[in-house]
Amino acid sequence: QVRLVESGGGLVKPGGSLRLSCAASGFTFSDSYMSWIRQAPGKGLEWLSYISTSGNTMYYADSVKGRFTISRDNAKNSLLLQMNSLRAEDTAVYHCVRGGRSHFDYWGQGTLVTVSS
Amino acid sequence: QSALSQPASVSGSPGQSITISCTGTSSDVGGYNYVSWCQQHPGKAPKLMIYDVSKRPSGVSNRFSASKSGNTASLTISGLQAEDEADYYCSSYTNSGSHVFGTGTKVTVL
Repeated sequence: QVRLVESGGGLVKPGGSLRLSCAASGFTFSDSYMSWIRQAPGKGLEWLSYISTSGNTMYYADSVKGRFTISRDNAKNSLLLQMNSLRAEDTAVYHCVRGGRSHFDYWGQGTLVTVSS
Repeated sequence: QSALSQPASVSGSPGQSITISCTGTSSDVGGYNYVSWCQQHPGKAPKLMIYDVSKRPSGVSNRFSASKSGNTASLTISGLQAEDEADYYCSSYTNSGSHVFGTGTKVTVL
């Protein structure tokens, strides 16, 4: 079955960096658009970024453009999110999600990122 | 990109039908047939319920249906059951290549 497992979350100071990873299994990763979506505590869902199957095309939400970078390694079935210049408002659970254009059909459980001094 | 507008809460008794609206603009909901709906129970990851405006993924109950008219999409849950109590979010592709989610609706089964 489809499985998406995020890792790399934790506590980081404002201005710091963090790199999230997502291990994918149960489907042909290289054929799937992939996305990162986050949810701040007690808040709604916020789409952040998606990447094409080849990794050549990426889109970002304005809130993270220039600070976050999405990438993928199709040989390792992994999705990455490099987060720089982190702010308190980036505190959230970050979900790795299959999909990127029409819809998001499988979600990981997420990894918690806390930005605090 | 502003969030799509959803009612904060909707409630209904078991067996009843409820409808959740999702209002956007011609740049998102009105411009593409890439509207989807997901369900989220507390502490759980979201689950896709509807995609491409009105299509149901395999395994999703046919009590869930959806449609779109202009810039507003709607999700209807028929024969409301206790297990339907959850948060529901719409989302849409946008003309900038991004996605936008709705503000979310808490469904309560009375």
